[in-house]
Amino acid sequence: GDSVTQMEGPVTLSEEAFLTINCTYTATGYPSLFWYVQYPGEGLQLLLKATKADDKGSNKGFEATYRKETTSFHLEKGSVQVSDSAVYFCALSDSNYQLIWGAGTKLIIKP
Amino acid sequence: EAGVAQSPRYKIIEKRQSVAFWCNPISGHATLYWYQQILGQGPKLLIQFQNNGVVDDSQLPKDRFSAERLKGVDSTLKIQPAKLEDSAVYLCASSTRQEYGYTFGSGTRLTVV
Repeated sequence: GDSVTQMEGPVTLSEEAFLTINCTYTATGYPSLFWYVQYPGEGLQLLLKATKADDKGSNKGFEATYRKETTSFHLEKGSVQVSDSAVYFCALSDSNYQLIWGAGTKLIIKP
Repeated sequence: EAGVAQSPRYKIIEKRQSVAFWCNPISGHATLYWYQQILGQGPKLLIQFQNNGVVDDSQLPKDRFSAERLKGVDSTLKIQPAKLEDSAVYLCASSTRQEYGYTFGSGTRLTVV
């Protein structure tokens, strides 16, 4: 079945560092891909999405490109801030309108 | 547009008691989901509705959990009787099309003592 694998955390970076959180997927067909973010004590928020190959999703300085050839959707940000500390989830949407989730990656940004 | 509304925000109950959660999705969103998220883990789908009908409830513990969606809008999730391992955040989400993703509510944090 469909699945999502993302890098284990926690990932600890200093403020203004470059961020990459890896995400790869296996799926039949052509799923839509998403990154969700969960700040401490809050619900899940859609961060960005891409619906077809080579699409780039972007929001709040974060970017991810839908790479069909490598089945990847890595999350990147050029300069992280303390306020970016959160748990990030990669997910794909299958043909049944269900989200298949990665395990989540906790990001800790130190000032 | 208004987001997905959930209530209550927090709930503490004793084991073997019952509890109910309410969700009001975004207007026009036909698909509604209930998820359980245990601390430190990703969300686990409990049930998916399409309008009034259940699309998938394969992971819903039906001996104690029940859910309904009246008139294809609001939904309630009930646990009766609760167990300690039901302590989690219960998230409601709605969507309109697959490629748009879901919109989540703020969740209900349940503590069973």
